[in-house]
Amino acid sequence: DTEVTQTPKHLVMGMTNKKSLKCEQHMGHRAMYWYKQKAKKPPELMFVYSYEKLSINESVPSRFSPECPNSSLLNLHLHALQPEDSALYLCASSLATQGVYGYTFGSGTRLTVV
Amino acid sequence: QQQVKQSPQSLIVQKGGISIINCAYENTAFDYFPWDQQFPGKGPALLIAIRPDVSEKKEGRFTISFNKSAKQFSLHIMDSQPGDSATYFCAATSGAGSYQLTFGKGTKLSVIP
Repeated sequence: DTEVTQTPKHLVMGMTNKKSLKCEQHMGHRAMYWYKQKAKKPPELMFVYSYEKLSINESVPSRFSPECPNSSLLNLHLHALQPEDSALYLCASSLATQGVYGYTFGSGTRLTVV
Repeated sequence: QQQVKQSPQSLIVQKGGISIINCAYENTAFDYFPWDQQFPGKGPALLIAIRPDVSEKKEGRFTISFNKSAKQFSLHIMDSQPGDSATYFCAATSGAGSYQLTFGKGTKLSVIP
């Protein structure tokens, strides 16, 4: 299995809703990432988990809350989002022993905040 | 110093032609230079990557050329096909323990029949 699977593919949520994005990989990768990508821009790093511990938080607002329940799963909990948070949210993974080398991205969740 | 500058912003190439995208960097600590291909509505996919100890790496129709002294690297797509139409991002990172990629701003490639 060489894939990073993200669900749902599309999500529309109101500003008062709570929702979660899910990411799963079975490649034995021990580093997992959340990125945010706006249209016509490169991905922007949000969070990195290494060996199930949060190692990087790029000063992301607290309305985004990451969780890594085990080495294969990564969640992003969303609460009280703003319309400007609408974007493609990408999960990625890599062998933590080599940092980000040989990373794999998922197909993303297209989030629309209304 | 952390930037990776990518050009051109957009590129139109005829089918069968060569597509060339260029990137330049300042941080001499960078030691891994990947290129990603992204189709609309999809996540980026790692296409090919190079380390600074080699000047060229080829995989099929895709070649990275690397010039360490000039701090530049480029992606060449030979015999470009309409299916290659996508956005291409160059990136760089430093050290085997780094989890951070510095991306270029992207190049939208259109291959016309």
